[in-house]
Amino acid sequence: EIVMTQSPATLSVSPGERASLSCRASQSISTNLAWYQQKPGQAPRLLIYDASTRATGIPARFSGSGSGTEFTLTITSLQSEDFGLYYCQQFSNWPPWTFGQGTKVEIK
Amino acid sequence: EVQLLQSGGGSVQPGGSLRLSCAASGFTFSSFAMAWVRQAPGKGLECVSMISVSGASTYYADSVKGRFTMSRDNSKNSVYVQMNSLRAEDTAVYYCAKVFNTGQVSLGFDIWGQGTMVTVSS
Repeated sequence: EIVMTQSPATLSVSPGERASLSCRASQSISTNLAWYQQKPGQAPRLLIYDASTRATGIPARFSGSGSGTEFTLTITSLQSEDFGLYYCQQFSNWPPWTFGQGTKVEIK
Repeated sequence: EVQLLQSGGGSVQPGGSLRLSCAASGFTFSSFAMAWVRQAPGKGLECVSMISVSGASTYYADSVKGRFTMSRDNSKNSVYVQMNSLRAEDTAVYYCAKVFNTGQVSLGFDIWGQGTMVTVSS
């Protein structure tokens, strides 16, 4: 099973600042990575797929990068609605399509 | 409107069974693989099962293999998971999700159900 490790566990950011979230895979997954945002009591929302392609309707301030084992989600100029939990997920190898443990982005 | 509407869930004693349903609308259901994802209280996400477009192939996480059975009925635009021999550690919110793909390559879960709580407790 491919293990996905996210860091940091919590990221404190002021509105308008930039946030960088990291995701590391235990083995190479090429660019088979997705990022999700989840707010309390809601289902996750797909933000990024194929490591760097924004999903439909996702603002341009969200960007993804990386390949192989190291990936980054960057949120430029954080807005109030961007605070929440963020998960990465690999789609390289089933079973299963594993998620990272999540990064909480909170207001500083 | 593109959506997945879940039903089922609830409370059950250890060793019991439950069946969750997920009805799709607004997209060509029979063209997409589907999955079930769960989230234990205060924990992260775990993809527990996936079913192919036709339903001929199913895949399970080790944590539920042999106890959960995923199925689909393309004539009813619905997917199901039968959960048997439930354990306390199966307590979670369960989400159905549509697999977003290009050709044979799966890229993400782009549509999610609203989630349904399953509680396993004596």
